[in-house]
Amino acid sequence: AQTVTQSQPEMSVQEAETVTLSCTYDTSENNYYLFWYKQPPSRQMILVIRQEAYKQQNATENRFSVNFQKAAKSFSLKISDSQLGDTAMYFCAFMKEGNTPLVFGKGTRLSVIA
Amino acid sequence: GAGVSQTPSNKVTEKGKYVELRCDPISGHTALYWYRQSLGQGPEFLIYFQGTGAADDSGLPNDRFFAVRPEGSVSTLKIQRTERGDSAVYLCASSLSGGPLDTQYFGPGTRLTVL
Repeated sequence: AQTVTQSQPEMSVQEAETVTLSCTYDTSENNYYLFWYKQPPSRQMILVIRQEAYKQQNATENRFSVNFQKAAKSFSLKISDSQLGDTAMYFCAFMKEGNTPLVFGKGTRLSVIA
Repeated sequence: GAGVSQTPSNKVTEKGKYVELRCDPISGHTALYWYRQSLGQGPEFLIYFQGTGAADDSGLPNDRFFAVRPEGSVSTLKIQRTERGDSAVYLCASSLSGGPLDTQYFGPGTRLTVL
C-alpha cells in the first residue's frame, strides 16, 4: 500500500516571502503521479500542481513549484511571493498508474501573515 | 459551467438513523469519487464510479455504507445505522474519464454530524 507523509502540521510565512512544504511517500511502483491540493476554509479542494514520476523536470505553475526527488521519494512544494489568499490546508497526494484513487497525506496548515 | 455540488452542506442526525448524501458531478464527467475526511486528517477514499458501475469500492469501511449512480451522473452515498464515528466531511470529486492525467474536481463536501 502507498503512504504519504507530511511532517509539518502547521507553518507560517510572511506575505511576499517564500515557503516550502515537505512531503514524502512510500511506494513500490515505478510509474505514478504526485499532486499538491489546496483546501481553503470553504472546504473545496483545488489542484495546485501535478508531477508525473517519469518526468525528470520539476513541475511549475506560476508561483508554485515542486522539488521532486524520486530516489528519495520526496515531493516538496515551494510557494514564492506568498499571498494572503494562499492561507489554507495543503495536501500532498499520490496516485498509481491507471484509474486508481488519490492517497492523501494528513496535510499542512499554512498561514500567510501580513 | 457549474462545478461539483453536494447536498446538503451540513447534516446532523442521531445515532442509528439512515442518511443520504448527494453529489452532482460536472456534466459529462464519467468518473466520480467519494472520499471521507475526518477532523485533522486528509481525505480517505471510499468508492469510485466509472459511469454507472462501481469500479472500486475497496474503501467502504463496512456494509453500512453503500453508494449508487444509476444514470451515470448524480451519485448518492447512503449510510445505514449511523454511528458517532461516521461523523466527518464527505467529499465528492469528478473527472472527465478517470486516471491521473484527468484533474479531479472536488465539491465543497457534506459535513455529517452523528449525535
